[in-house]
Amino acid sequence: GAVVSQHPSWVICKSGTSVKIECRSLDFQATTMFWYRQFPKQSLMLMATSNEGSKATYEQGVEKDKFLINHASLTLSTLTVTSAHPEDSSFYICSARVTSGGPYNEQFFGPGTRLTVL
Amino acid sequence: AQKITQTQPGMFVQEKEAVTLDCTYDTSDPSYGLFWYKQPSSGEMIFLIYQGSYDQQNATEGRYSLNFQKARKSANLVISASQLGDSAMYFCAMRPKTSYDKVIFGPGTSLSVIP
Repeated sequence: GAVVSQHPSWVICKSGTSVKIECRSLDFQATTMFWYRQFPKQSLMLMATSNEGSKATYEQGVEKDKFLINHASLTLSTLTVTSAHPEDSSFYICSARVTSGGPYNEQFFGPGTRLTVL
Repeated sequence: AQKITQTQPGMFVQEKEAVTLDCTYDTSDPSYGLFWYKQPSSGEMIFLIYQGSYDQQNATEGRYSLNFQKARKSANLVISASQLGDSAMYFCAMRPKTSYDKVIFGPGTSLSVIP
């Protein structure tokens, strides 16, 4: 099956620093990757849609200058949380869509990255 | 607007019993896909089952079945013969045709299986 990895799986940083999270599709090419944020005991909220070779599309209310997304290749997308603050502490999950996938089960999720900002 | 509702924040079920997790959705799009995901405490999202809006039969995958009632806009998940490992958060999700790439998630139901 399609595998998506994320690195790191958890990170602790000081307030004001930047953190980069990587999302990789290991055995398939993904023209589209998605970034979600999940606060404790809440659902997944889509932050942005990332297309290879073009600018990401951000959801309403998500600061594009704070959450920088780069999708430089068909297997890698990165999310950089710039000048992180404690309120950015959350679980960040990426997913990747199979390029030539069928109508279902074509979006595969990474294991998530838990970010804690002190 | 598209929306997913899961009215059960938490559910308990005895081991080996069946349980139904409710999901209703709202969309004006005639074509859409419905999904159920399981999220254990480790955080990974595990795909369970899919139902297309034009599928004639209810989807089944092992112990999981989807009770799809299109007219009522409901897509309840039935888990048969519950196991302790089924304890997790369960999310109902929808991908409307008009926003083909976006999957909208419901608020989730926390299922606890009691030995």
